[in-house]
Amino acid sequence: QLQLQESGPGLAKPSETLSLTCTVSGGSISANNCYWGWIRQPPGKALEWIGSIYHSGSTYYNPSLKSRVTISVDTSKNQFSLKLSSVTAADTAVYYCARQIVGSPPHPWGQGTLVTVSS
Amino acid sequence: EIVLTQSPGTLSLSPGERVTLSCRASQSISSTYLAWYQQKPGQAPRLLIYGASNRATGISDRFSGSGSGTDFTLTIRRLEPEDFAVYFCQQHGSSPWTFGQGTKVEIK
Repeated sequence: QLQLQESGPGLAKPSETLSLTCTVSGGSISANNCYWGWIRQPPGKALEWIGSIYHSGSTYYNPSLKSRVTISVDTSKNQFSLKLSSVTAADTAVYYCARQIVGSPPHPWGQGTLVTVSS
Repeated sequence: EIVLTQSPGTLSLSPGERVTLSCRASQSISSTYLAWYQQKPGQAPRLLIYGASNRATGISDRFSGSGSGTDFTLTIRRLEPEDFAVYFCQQHGSSPWTFGQGTKVEIK
């Protein structure tokens, strides 16, 4: 059974870079037709897709965040990562990682990790 | 960007009732790319419906989806206590993928 688990600091300072990693178990991150994505949810607000990556390294990002986002993949560790630069309080959110089979919605999701941006 | 508007924002219902949730898109979406999720407090969203009308693995047949173009609906045939949650629609056919703001189904 495929499982995803987010990890990383729960606190980031304003103007710094938020870094998270998603570890995939029960399946290969190099599987064909699978993208791996990040989605976030600010407290009490709607979900927002951040971006996705293929095992080859091909990425696509939400234009609203593109200038600050980098998603990378490490196939040897079966992990992919998110970096979000120049964070502000508005980036406080629960961050989820998820698998995205081509043509299908994100599923399954990790349990999510709360990142608070505060000095 | 395709904006998804869900209505109503909150529904107060009793167990056993039938509920219909609406998701309206700002432009036409292929039904292939419309999904519904359920989210409970402190949990990740759970996929209920994909392709507008297909139940995900393990999802009760009390849940059904329908619609096309810009108007989509999630119906819960008979509310069980575990169904009280927030429901989101999502489109993944046009980048950036977007989500509705959610409908909360609460116990009356």
